[in-house]
Amino acid sequence: GQNIDQPTEMTATEGAIVQINCTYQTSGFNGLFWYQQHAGEAPTFLSYNVLDGLEEKGRFSSFLSRSKGYSYLLLKELQMKDSASYLCAVRDPARSQGNLIFGKGTKLSVKP
Amino acid sequence: NAGVTQTPKFRILKIGQSMTLQCTQDMNHNYMYWYRQDPGMGLKLIYYSVGAGITDKGEVPNGYNVSRSTTEDFPLRLELAAPSQTSVYFCASSRGRGRSGNTIYFGEGSWLTVV
Repeated sequence: GQNIDQPTEMTATEGAIVQINCTYQTSGFNGLFWYQQHAGEAPTFLSYNVLDGLEEKGRFSSFLSRSKGYSYLLLKELQMKDSASYLCAVRDPARSQGNLIFGKGTKLSVKP
Repeated sequence: NAGVTQTPKFRILKIGQSMTLQCTQDMNHNYMYWYRQDPGMGLKLIYYSVGAGITDKGEVPNGYNVSRSTTEDFPLRLELAAPSQTSVYFCASSRGRGRSGNTIYFGEGSWLTVV
């Protein structure tokens, strides 16, 4: 089966750097996604990793280690608007036609 | 840019009532999905479709039905609503092929309460 673990909540300070970890167990790996979800809103796409290494996109970076079943999302120069839930997701090997299996999300609170 | 549009945004249902959540996308995506999200839980797949005329069950299909008569529309029907169906529902779509095709785009959500 598939299992995704990420911390439930994190708190960080404006201007700082925060790393949100995600570990996964899946019968067939074919890509890992990070989504951002503000309270009361829909999830929005942040990043996609299918090969090992770091993918950088502005203030956000995402890292993947397939051998360790591990990913992290790195947020730099935190802003108040980064307060949101961050969802880690992997491709669903049972329904390979695009579906994702989501973790429960990490609620990040950015304090002044 | 409309993207994925779902209605209604909020609805209160009485136990035993039925209703349809509407979803349409204008991105010509082949793949469409319905998820539900409960507090503290991850998004759970209810039903999905890989093209017009083709639908299949997801992880939590009981109590729901879908149809896909066109590429654009993917309505979700709740029959005999139960309190356990109180949730936030998200319709989503993806192109489904290639690296960027795997990106799933979500509608704004529908908050449903069954009392």
